[in-house]
Amino acid sequence: AQTVTQSQPEMSVQEAETVTLSCTYDTSESDYYLFWYKQPPSRQMILVIRQEAYKQQNATENRFSVNFQKAAKSFSLKISDSQLGDAAMYFCACLSGNTPLVFGKGTRLSVIA
Amino acid sequence: DSGVTQTPKHLITATGQRVTLRCSPRSGDLSVYWYQQSLDQGLQFLIQYYNGEERAKGNILERFSAQQFPDLHSELNLSSLELGDSALYFCASSVDDRTHEQYFGPGTRLTVT
Repeated sequence: AQTVTQSQPEMSVQEAETVTLSCTYDTSESDYYLFWYKQPPSRQMILVIRQEAYKQQNATENRFSVNFQKAAKSFSLKISDSQLGDAAMYFCACLSGNTPLVFGKGTRLSVIA
Repeated sequence: DSGVTQTPKHLITATGQRVTLRCSPRSGDLSVYWYQQSLDQGLQFLIQYYNGEERAKGNILERFSAQQFPDLHSELNLSSLELGDSALYFCASSVDDRTHEQYFGPGTRLTVT
């Protein structure tokens, strides 16, 4: 069974600073996909970024980038130039084989003005 | 706005009752997924439909059922409701059953009293 672990229940960052959210996963599949979703207070789940396991290059979406360490099964999210609107719950998720999307427990990010 | 719509937004009902949650996927998406988000269980996959057929099943209780109609909208039926069924229920959609980006609706908050 695949698992996703987010070891940081809460994080905080100063506005304009950079923060990194950690995620580790475990899957026996060689073909899998990793995602970060953001859930702001509105509770909407918003796809932030995705990474295909077969790609060595780390995915980037504007201020969001990932550090994908395949051997270590690590998939961290870096948020640069943090903004107040980045405050939310962030969920790491893994999709592999015939297993549906599995989510971690989430990290609550606070942004301090 | 993800393009996925869910109704109703909020639902309050009593134990033992039955409710139906409705989801309309993004235009062109054939696959619909249902998730339950509760405080103690986190985000859990319930069931997936692809073009009208059940494709994958997760931790869905026997009291719960779902279907996808010819126009691709989906309904999640919850019966014999218990207090523990109170949760946020999300629907997500994707282009096909293996595409790796799922877009989430705003959710239906169910409160069972």
